[in-house]
Amino acid sequence: KNEVEQSPQNLTAQEGEFITINCSYSVGISALHWLQQHPGGGIVSLFMLSSGKKKHGRLIATINIQEKHSSLHITASHPRDSAVYICAVRSAGNTPLVFGKGTRLSVIA
Amino acid sequence: ETGVTQSPTHLIKTRGQQVTLRCSSQSGHNTVSWYQQALGQGPQFIFQYYREEENGRGNFPPRFSGLQFPNYSSELNVNALELDDSALYLCASRTGNYGYTFGSGTRLTVV
Repeated sequence: KNEVEQSPQNLTAQEGEFITINCSYSVGISALHWLQQHPGGGIVSLFMLSSGKKKHGRLIATINIQEKHSSLHITASHPRDSAVYICAVRSAGNTPLVFGKGTRLSVIA
Repeated sequence: ETGVTQSPTHLIKTRGQQVTLRCSSQSGHNTVSWYQQALGQGPQFIFQYYREEENGRGNFPPRFSGLQFPNYSSELNVNALELDDSALYLCASRTGNYGYTFGSGTRLTVV
């Protein structure tokens, strides 16, 4: 049983499309992270959310605590957005992150 | 931005050998976590250290061990390597309730 579920697993989009990646979790959390992983392996933290919505450039992340659901949106997608996007949650206290399996996004020019 | 450095970046070992992977965290990051990421999977929690004490462990056998040092660096040691230990090993650190900073990982291949 995976505590963090992401959908879709794989996504191919045309350049310029609006993209949504979803994350559902089953435990109470203190924070949810959206992460980006490129083929080399390194992970970059995009957002840390505990409520509401955050925006950074073309990226928007939302979270609904009651529904235990978060979405990552990419507006005007570009081939350089191609990466694996991972959702990870942390419960209260000094608990570690629990990761989803990731969504592999390919944006085609 | 990355204030977390992992070494080496790639490593090939033979089954049965031992390996030490290193992570240098940002100054002040007193919590460090290690994760194993198999190909096509999300990272799996190995263990976490807080102020040089292990304070959480995932479902990994005792041959996976670690240390955290006062200078915010840490190590992951794996004894008696098995083929299934081949993976990307990630280190992440944080302080307080701030977000995590991840290293670029060490890709370990066991042959």
